[in-house]
Amino acid sequence: GENVEQHPSTLSVQEGDSAVIKCTYSDSASNYFPWYKQELGKRPQLIIDIRSNVGEKKDQRIAVTLNKTAKHFSLHITETQPEDSAVYFCAASRGGSSNTGKLIFGQGTTLQVKP
Amino acid sequence: KAGVTQTPRYLIKTRGQQVTLSCSPISGHRSVSWYQQTPGQGLQFLFEYFSETQRNKGNFPGRFSGRQFSNSRSEMNVSTLELGDSALYLCASSLVTSTDTQYFGPGTRLTVL
Repeated sequence: GENVEQHPSTLSVQEGDSAVIKCTYSDSASNYFPWYKQELGKRPQLIIDIRSNVGEKKDQRIAVTLNKTAKHFSLHITETQPEDSAVYFCAASRGGSSNTGKLIFGQGTTLQVKP
Repeated sequence: KAGVTQTPRYLIKTRGQQVTLSCSPISGHRSVSWYQQTPGQGLQFLFEYFSETQRNKGNFPGRFSGRQFSNSRSEMNVSTLELGDSALYLCASSLVTSTDTQYFGPGTRLTVL
């Protein structure tokens, strides 16, 4: 069935270092891959997304890469700051008429940025 | 634009009762999806509504149901509550399709005693 594996489950870095979170999806028909950040007690918020016709996307300190052949996608955060500390979720969606509105989420990565 | 809102924010129920949760999407958004978030299972898709029709459904028992009104507001209902239904229930709205950005509401924290 549809599945998204996310690693690592926890990640601790020093302020200023880079952080990388990796996800693997099982459904080869997936074509949309968003990343959400969820701070404690708050709602998930979209931080970046990528579609299957693009290999990489960047937004300031955040970048996402997609390898469709290997069914991998990764989140890269550079120059981490304490306010980056949160739980990060990757997700995959097939899109199209048969699977609209259905995001399959990874299990989440708790990122801790130490000052 | 106002964001996605959910009511109530907190609910305490006992086993066997039923509960109705409400979600108001961002103005102009026609798709509403519901997710259950628990520490053990993470974020799991419940169902999605578009133009008052259920367009997709996750792997949850029939005790979980929903509906959408003509103004795109959505409700979900859980009948015969079980302890394991304790969770944060999140709704998300998007313009039309799942590849449109989904914006989440603050969630309803349901505790079943």
